[in-house]
Amino acid sequence: GAVVSQHPSRVICKSGTSVKIECRSLDFQATTMFWYRQFPKQSLMLMATSNEGSKATYEQGVEKDKFLINHASLTLSTLTVTSAHPEDSSFYICSARDYGNTGELFFGEGSRLTVL
Amino acid sequence: DAKTTQPPSMDCAEGRAANLPCNHSTISGNEYVYWYRQIHSQGPQYIIHGLKNNETNEMASLIITEDRKSSTLILPHATLRDTAVYYCIVGTGRRALTFGSGTRLQVQP
Repeated sequence: GAVVSQHPSRVICKSGTSVKIECRSLDFQATTMFWYRQFPKQSLMLMATSNEGSKATYEQGVEKDKFLINHASLTLSTLTVTSAHPEDSSFYICSARDYGNTGELFFGEGSRLTVL
Repeated sequence: DAKTTQPPSMDCAEGRAANLPCNHSTISGNEYVYWYRQIHSQGPQYIIHGLKNNETNEMASLIITEDRKSSTLILPHATLRDTAVYYCIVGTGRRALTFGSGTRLQVQP
């Protein structure tokens, strides 16, 4: 089946630094990818929709200047957490829909960010 | 997207069938029922989806009632590795999926 891969799986950074998370669709092209965030013992919350070649669409309450999304190719979207703070510590998960095949939404393995 | 209601937790004996219910009484005619599961500290894993007919694959079966207001995910022979949070989600298949609280399934040895 379709595979979505994220990197890194875990990252620890100091407060004030920026962290980039990559999301790749390995065997299909994804014009749209979705970024979710999950805090401990909570469900996944949609942060933004990443559109190839255009600006991302952010959900209400998500700061676009803090969470920079770039979708420069049909197989890669990146999420950059700028000036990270401890409250940004979370599990970030990307997903992509394989429109060319079954249309199902596949998820990456997730990236756990810890900000010290 | 229509909202779903699932029990917060369920237990199942290893080797027995696990039947996970989901209510989606406000589902629209063009909305699918999707099931995903999330094992601790991993991304959600796709299980199955359907529109109105029952569906079966190598992982599970999906039974959708005739009025489409509820469905049941069946894991025919649960194993310890099936312990996870199971999410029932309703959507059109064109946008992102909205996750609810899900059902925490604990398979007991």
